[in-house]
Amino acid sequence: EAQVTQNPRYLITVTGKKLTVTCSQNMNHEYMSWYRQDPGLGLRQIYYSMNVEVTDKGDVPEGYKVSRKEKRNFPLILESPSPNQTSLYFCASSLSLGGTQYFGPGTRLLVL
Amino acid sequence: RKEVEQDPGPFNVPEGATVAFNCTYSNSASQSFFWYRQDCRKEPKLLMSVYSSGNEDGRFTAQLNRASQYISLLIRDSKLSDSATYLCVVNMISSGSARQLTFGSGTQLTVLP
Repeated sequence: EAQVTQNPRYLITVTGKKLTVTCSQNMNHEYMSWYRQDPGLGLRQIYYSMNVEVTDKGDVPEGYKVSRKEKRNFPLILESPSPNQTSLYFCASSLSLGGTQYFGPGTRLLVL
Repeated sequence: RKEVEQDPGPFNVPEGATVAFNCTYSNSASQSFFWYRQDCRKEPKLLMSVYSSGNEDGRFTAQLNRASQYISLLIRDSKLSDSATYLCVVNMISSGSARQLTFGSGTQLTVLP
C-alpha cells in the first residue's frame, strides 16, 4: 500500500529536550516536505527536499532541522524544542513539483 | 494580507443543500490550484485539482477565475459524509522552488441531518 508514515504519532516533551520525528514514504517520490498546522494559520511549510541531500527552508524553518540521506526518509529534528513548537506536524511527499501531496497521518507534539 | 484566504466558516447546512466556498489568492503568478479535504484530526487529502476551464467530479465542481484571483468549490446534494474542512491550495512554481505550495487555513463544513 502506497503511504507516508510518521512516528511518533503523539509526543509530549519538555523544553530543550532534543527530539526527532521520522517520516518515510514508499512511493519513490523525489519531493518531500514538512508542515506544521496551527489553528487559524493553516498548514505552513517548514522545510522541503527535492532529492537526496537537497533540502531547503520553507516559510517557518526556525528551530527545525531536516536531513535527506535516503530517498524514502525525511526526518524532522527539533534540537531544543520550545513551547511555541507545540503543533500538529505533517510530512508529505509528491511525485513532481507542484504535484499531489500525499500526507502522513500527522504527529501531535506538545512541548511543556 | 494572507497569500491564500478562505472564509473559515463554519458552514452548517442541511443534507441535500448546495454549498459553495470561495478562496482568494494574492499572487497573480500562481500556476496551479487544488482543493484538499481534511477530516477532523486526520491528514489532508486531495479532493480535486482546479483547471482553468472549470471541472466537475460528481457532486463537486471547481472553478477558477484568474482575473479576480479566486477559486471556488461547489458541493451539490450535500451528504453527512461531506462534513470536513476544505483547504484551498495554490502553487506558484518559481525558479524550480517547491516552497510556494500555499495552503489556506480552511473552511469548515458541517452537514446536518
